[in-house]
Amino acid sequence: DVKVTQSSRYLVKRTGEKVFLECVQDMDHENMFWYRQDPGLGLRLIYFSYDVKMKEKGDIPEGYSVSREKKERFSLILESASTNQTSMYLCASSPRSTTGGQERKLFFGSGTQLSVL
Amino acid sequence: LAKTTQPISMDSYEGQEVNITCSHNNIATNDYITWYQQFPSQGPRFIIQGYKTKVTNEVASLFIPADRKSSTLSLPRVSLSDTAVYYCLVGDKSYNTDKLIFGTGTRLQVFP
Repeated sequence: DVKVTQSSRYLVKRTGEKVFLECVQDMDHENMFWYRQDPGLGLRLIYFSYDVKMKEKGDIPEGYSVSREKKERFSLILESASTNQTSMYLCASSPRSTTGGQERKLFFGSGTQLSVL
Repeated sequence: LAKTTQPISMDSYEGQEVNITCSHNNIATNDYITWYQQFPSQGPRFIIQGYKTKVTNEVASLFIPADRKSSTLSLPRVSLSDTAVYYCLVGDKSYNTDKLIFGTGTRLQVFP
């Protein structure tokens, strides 16, 4: 089975700290994603990457950056954490389509519940 | 702009069939329709995926009409453990189709 591992299940940080959220997948997937999930707002895409060193902004990239130096690892960075970044962060990966269509089979990690105080 | 529209919530009883419809008027031509299930404090889990007509697996069926502007997830004989949030996911031809953006989902509550 595909495994997507997020480094921390729960994290508590202080305002202004630099925060790193790590995600590792073991299935050689090309695509990786970072979402945040807040009550009533569903999942919102922060950043995604379709190859090593490649990244694209999602809908809410402000206050975040990402790094993908190796294919299996996709890191989300909060440059200066703020209280409005308290949320559940979900990482996902997916293989590149082999049919020419846009298949959407994402594999998610268990999430990191981040609290910024 | 929402790419998909689903009912916010649905209630059912154990043993009943549940149908959840998702509207996606602007689906990209080469895009698949994918459904996910999410339990509290977990990441979403893939349920089923299709391009057109009908797809069935051991968990659910997916019905897609010819115009592909909507899809219906069918859960046969639900149990209490099917209580979860269900999301449909498509690529929208108005947007970068690599942006996999979820809608707000449908919260299904199954009662005994």
